[in-house]
Amino acid sequence: DIQMTQSPSSLSASVGDRVTITCRASQTISSYLNWYQQKPGKAPKLLIYGASHLQSGVPSRFSGSGSGTDFTLTISSLQPEDFATYYCQQGYSTPLYTFGQGTELEIK
Amino acid sequence: QVQLQESGPGLVKPSQTLSLTCTVSGGSIRSGIYHWNWIRQPAGKGLEWIGCIYSSGSTNYNPSLKSRVTISADTSKNQFSLELSSVTAADTAVYYCAREFQGADWYFDLWGRGTLVTVSS
Repeated sequence: DIQMTQSPSSLSASVGDRVTITCRASQTISSYLNWYQQKPGKAPKLLIYGASHLQSGVPSRFSGSGSGTDFTLTISSLQPEDFATYYCQQGYSTPLYTFGQGTELEIK
Repeated sequence: QVQLQESGPGLVKPSQTLSLTCTVSGGSIRSGIYHWNWIRQPAGKGLEWIGCIYSSGSTNYNPSLKSRVTISADTSKNQFSLELSSVTAADTAVYYCAREFQGADWYFDLWGRGTLVTVSS
């Protein structure tokens, strides 16, 4: 299985901050990397697919980059509604998909 | 607007079979560009992919669960289902059904709200 490791596991930040979350794959996955946002009691929501493509309807303050084994999710200016848990997911070894362990983004 | 909705018992006894159904509204599960998946999340933990069914009816399962999982579809009802046998407390989780888009990239673009299944006597 391809293992996905996110860092940090948790992060405290303030409204207006620029935040970066990283995701590392245990082997190369090209650009088959997706990012999801999950709020408490809700289903995950797709933010970014193919490492850098913004899903329709997602605010442009979210962006993704990377290829191979190292990827980042950046929120350019945190808004109150962005405090949530973020997961990366590799779409390379279809259909045996794996997710990162999650990064909990908290209000400082 | 396509929606997914999970349904099924919220409580299952140990050693029994967990059965859930996902009803798809506003779109057809026979569409060839989508696969239909089950994903679960134990409380306070991460996401685990369980398996999927393709529009052709073929399936793929997580090897860690493969011996206990069956995913099937009823196209006449536009539903797909999950059966997980010989459950234990470790199978207690929120179970999500999710649509997977298969194009140049593969990703879960639509999710159900999730249903909590507790395994307990």
